[in-house]
Amino acid sequence: EVQLLESGGGLVQPGGSLRLSCAASEFTFSSYAMSWVRQAPGKGLEWVSGVGERGISTYYADSVKGRFTVSRDNSKSTMYLQMNSLRVEDTALYYCAKPGDSSSWYGGGFDSWGQGIVVTVSS
Amino acid sequence: QSALTQPASVSGSPGQSITISCTGTSSDVGGYKYVSWYQQHPDKAPKLIIYDVNNRPSGVSNRFSGSKSGNTASLTISGLQVEDEADYYCSSYTSSTTLVVFGGGTKLTVL
Repeated sequence: EVQLLESGGGLVQPGGSLRLSCAASEFTFSSYAMSWVRQAPGKGLEWVSGVGERGISTYYADSVKGRFTVSRDNSKSTMYLQMNSLRVEDTALYYCAKPGDSSSWYGGGFDSWGQGIVVTVSS
Repeated sequence: QSALTQPASVSGSPGQSITISCTGTSSDVGGYKYVSWYQQHPDKAPKLIIYDVNNRPSGVSNRFSGSKSGNTASLTISGLQVEDEADYYCSSYTSSTTLVVFGGGTKLTVL
């Protein structure tokens, strides 16, 4: 069974930084693009960022562009999200998600999700 | 404001059928087959219930079905059950720089 385990969340002041990790197992990590999706308290889902299988192609939501950087280390089956210049509105539960189809950004939908990690931005 | 438009809430009685709409544009829902639907119970991670417009993952009840016409996708739940009460989100691949967009979510109440 696919496992996705997020870590690195916590409480940070506005303007601060955090790095999230998503450790993957039980599938060929290097064959899949991966994404981060967040959910603010009481709100809906928001796609945040995606990284291609080799880590070369990256995409970002307009709300985080220029502040967040997504990357991956296929040798460790891990995806990262470096979050800088954090704002109160970045407070959310952050999920990593895997698409159903390999070599596709969104083919097959996000068929596997982590349990999520909380990021709280507050002074 | 979400990129895809869903009704905020829908309701139905056990045994009935309901349909949730998801309206986008030709740059997302209307332009690609990559429309998905997710079910989310409180304090749980989202669960994929429909992918690529009208496909069900293994293990998902055949009471859930998806379709698309033009820029609007739809999720139909037939034979409503109490456990179907949850939030439902549509999502689509998009040709914009953001790659993936979600709807604002629809709260389903089973009366």
